[in-house]
Amino acid sequence: GAGVSQSPSNKVTEKGKDVELRCDPISGHTALYWYRQSLGQGLEFLIYFQGNSAPDKSGLPSDRFSAERTGGSVSTLTIQRTQQEDSAVYLCASSLRGLGTEAFFGQGTRLTVV
Amino acid sequence: KQEVTQIPAALSVPEGENLVLNCSFTDSAIYNLQWFRQDPGKGLTSLLLIQSSQREQTSGRLNASLDKSSGRSTLYIAASQPGDSATYLCAVTNFGNEKLTFGTGTRLTIIP
Repeated sequence: GAGVSQSPSNKVTEKGKDVELRCDPISGHTALYWYRQSLGQGLEFLIYFQGNSAPDKSGLPSDRFSAERTGGSVSTLTIQRTQQEDSAVYLCASSLRGLGTEAFFGQGTRLTVV
Repeated sequence: KQEVTQIPAALSVPEGENLVLNCSFTDSAIYNLQWFRQDPGKGLTSLLLIQSSQREQTSGRLNASLDKSSGRSTLYIAASQPGDSATYLCAVTNFGNEKLTFGTGTRLTIIP
């Protein structure tokens, strides 16, 4: 596709439910990032994938959060047993080779936990 | 730990004026710096990427400069337009750590 695509664009879920957020990176991009942006806050790094290397999971806030990237392309961020503090915009980005190359962001998924 | 600061947090200027946005970072061992804009309710749009070996990059009315040794970057916007109203974010990447570390942004309003 022409850009990074994220789905759904909006998600409302009940506290305690699991949710999956999807990211389709730009074709051919080997690096993929997930960030979280809470209301009025800055961008918080969550996880980084580069090719076939082990992902950098250092930003995941708890073990309720996990992510995978299948076939070096599509990525899914899963939040288990959602809490109200998980409400935020989840942004995905990709870049051609990671370090040194320009990162392009998707439009984000707005998650609301009620 | 890298920390990125953007001051001011908000800025309003009349249409047509030139303006400068500031970004500072504490660890000068950066690989590159990227400027983004974010419109309300939207994702981030990449504006300019400056590698650590570069002094500046230009795209249209935008010019970004980098002074790595002093830990500073500026984004210069010439002849501002109402469509430039957005939040502007800078982000740095450090050697050995491929994530982007973001500043908290400057919310720019251009007054028609």
